[in-house]
Amino acid sequence: NAGVTQTPKFQVLKTGQSMTLQCAQDMNHEYMSWYRQDPGMGLRLIHYSVGAGITDQGEVPNGYNVSRSTTEDFPLRLLSAAPSQTSVYFCASSYWAKQSTDTQYFGPGTRLTVL
Amino acid sequence: GNSVTQMEGPVTLSEEAFLTINCTYTATGYPSLFWYVQYPGEGLQLLLKATKADDKGSNKGFEATYRKETTSFHLEKGSVQVSDSAVYFCALSSSGAGSYQLTFGKGTKLSVIP
Repeated sequence: NAGVTQTPKFQVLKTGQSMTLQCAQDMNHEYMSWYRQDPGMGLRLIHYSVGAGITDQGEVPNGYNVSRSTTEDFPLRLLSAAPSQTSVYFCASSYWAKQSTDTQYFGPGTRLTVL
Repeated sequence: GNSVTQMEGPVTLSEEAFLTINCTYTATGYPSLFWYVQYPGEGLQLLLKATKADDKGSNKGFEATYRKETTSFHLEKGSVQVSDSAVYFCALSSSGAGSYQLTFGKGTKLSVIP
């Protein structure tokens, strides 16, 4: 198993550009999520999904869109990038959506810089 | 709402020193508690977890005990190694709106020097 994969690893955007961060998992996990990591802030939840066709907002959803058309993929879209979105983005997944004891598996991250 | 507070870093220790990273939480109900570790340039990975009061999670020489009476989940290791240098995150998981969500602390950076 490849686990959770993310592409690209690094990206530089100009203000106002759009892009999609890709996330895929091959573990047949029900739950997938996106976090951003900023210095001194820990990880904050952007959006999550409890299954194909079902998504919901996390703590910091503004400026981001998601969709979940398959169990495996959970892309994160930035419609109009802003410097405040400069961050490291992590995708994570876990087997069950309704089991608080479950472990989340993280991808290697995408480092995004918005100029 | 839920929150996790962990000790501010960075923490610098000599090899074979004793490590404690404090973590306290605020949550409703009965959360599960986790320690995740992030090695340089990598994503987070689970270090250990505890799912009910008085449970002790352990892995790679690290331990943490779920203390409901003090709402704490402190991470300890008796003898750290250079390879333990990383950022450590305390987190809790609780149910909400039909699914669960992880709430993270801000992370503690540990540097171990030979």
